[in-house]
Amino acid sequence: DTAVSQTPKYLVTQMGNDKSIKCEQNLGHDTMYWYKQDSKKFLKIMFSYNNKELIINETVPNRFSPKSPDKAHLNLHINSLELGDSAVYFCASSQEPSGGNGEQFFGPGTRLTVL
Amino acid sequence: GNSVTQMEGPVTLSEEAFLTINCTYTATGYPSLFWYVQYPGEGLQLLLKATKADDKGSNKGFEATYRKETTSFHLEKGSVQVSDSAVYFCALTIQGAQKLVFGQGTRLTINP
Repeated sequence: DTAVSQTPKYLVTQMGNDKSIKCEQNLGHDTMYWYKQDSKKFLKIMFSYNNKELIINETVPNRFSPKSPDKAHLNLHINSLELGDSAVYFCASSQEPSGGNGEQFFGPGTRLTVL
Repeated sequence: GNSVTQMEGPVTLSEEAFLTINCTYTATGYPSLFWYVQYPGEGLQLLLKATKADDKGSNKGFEATYRKETTSFHLEKGSVQVSDSAVYFCALTIQGAQKLVFGQGTRLTINP
């Protein structure tokens, strides 16, 4: 009965590799997000998709490419991984329009370590 | 622009102490305000929210009041427990903006 799930939970890889993180939500929400949490716990939005369409791209390097095959899934592919990509990546979803409530439901996170 | 500022952490308290974590915001438009909590090794969970001025959000003994005049949304709890140890994030969203803007997080540790 997991609401927002992410795989994998941990990802350790070498610099220069390409990797993907998958996210699925079973809440029937229209909007999904990717956030990055750095080592100091600071959270920043990367992308947002509404009904499979990109609506927010917060000046993220184009090595990061989100893909939404349907509104229940939002995957994140990262090319040519760099040391600075090491972080915890959180997927989230929300029901929009939400009348401004904006409540989001978060996945458990994927800890990416680039060596 | 829109931003959220939280009190610097970490915060360490003894069990049953009174807790306040300060949060102030700047926003264009009329924000909804949130407190999210992140327990060790887990994702964020919504703790409480308030969508308009003077609303009070409450959950699990925590409270926060939306103060438009001071642009604040301070988190309080009268008697903390060890299980409250976590990182707390204040956040806002503007209607139609479809993204949360987070503060920097405050790590709270409660000692028995």
